Amino acid sequence: RKEVEQDPGPFNVPEGATVAFNCTYSNSASQSFFWYRQDCRKEPKLLMSVYSSGNEDGRFTAQLNRASQYISLLIRDSKLSDSATYLCVLYNQGGKLIFGQGTELSVKP
Amino acid sequence: GAGVSQSPSNKVTEKGKDVELRCDPISGHTALYWYRQSLGQGLEFLIYFQGNSAPDKSGLPSDRFSAERTGGSVSTLTIQRTQQEDSAVYLCASSPGRSGTGRPGYTFGSGTRLTVV
Repeated sequence: RKEVEQDPGPFNVPEGATVAFNCTYSNSASQSFFWYRQDCRKEPKLLMSVYSSGNEDGRFTAQLNRASQYISLLIRDSKLSDSATYLCVLYNQGGKLIFGQGTELSVKP
Repeated sequence: GAGVSQSPSNKVTEKGKDVELRCDPISGHTALYWYRQSLGQGLEFLIYFQGNSAPDKSGLPSDRFSAERTGGSVSTLTIQRTQQEDSAVYLCASSPGRSGTGRPGYTFGSGTRLTVV
């Protein structure tokens, strides 16, 4: 079983839609969790951290459920510029980031 | 420099040849990581250097892969006797050091796109 699993998509949504991405992880000892964004043929960049109490940044909300080992990212009022691949990432005790395979989002006009 | 620099940006090599990929981390960053991303896939961890500690090589896919970090700064990833399945984007990242929670402080370079023909 992969350490981090995501629905690869693609998710095709119209502008203004709300879209949710889900991610599960297998190692309960994982310490920290993040969502990264990767544009086509570019390197990944940190989007936001994920906390049990929830984390909101404008149109983006991230949530962690440690009991279920589940992470989510919600994007409200999606924009064309939100089109990218969203990577679920955990930081483990060994000091490295483990990446999910990513979920592709395409926002259409 | 201001960011993580990788070279070359693109490399086409013949099957069986050796290649060297270079990473210049952000000055002062003690941690350096190599990842590989195949087409349509997520990032696969390869190797991690932290200060003067022994590197974590647990992600290297075979003994054809090796990496070193000289003087705690520049790192070179070497792939010997390249195979077509080695074709991927090789990404380097650096970080100020171990981070428990919160922002991990990882900054990625723009990668080296390796094509083995």
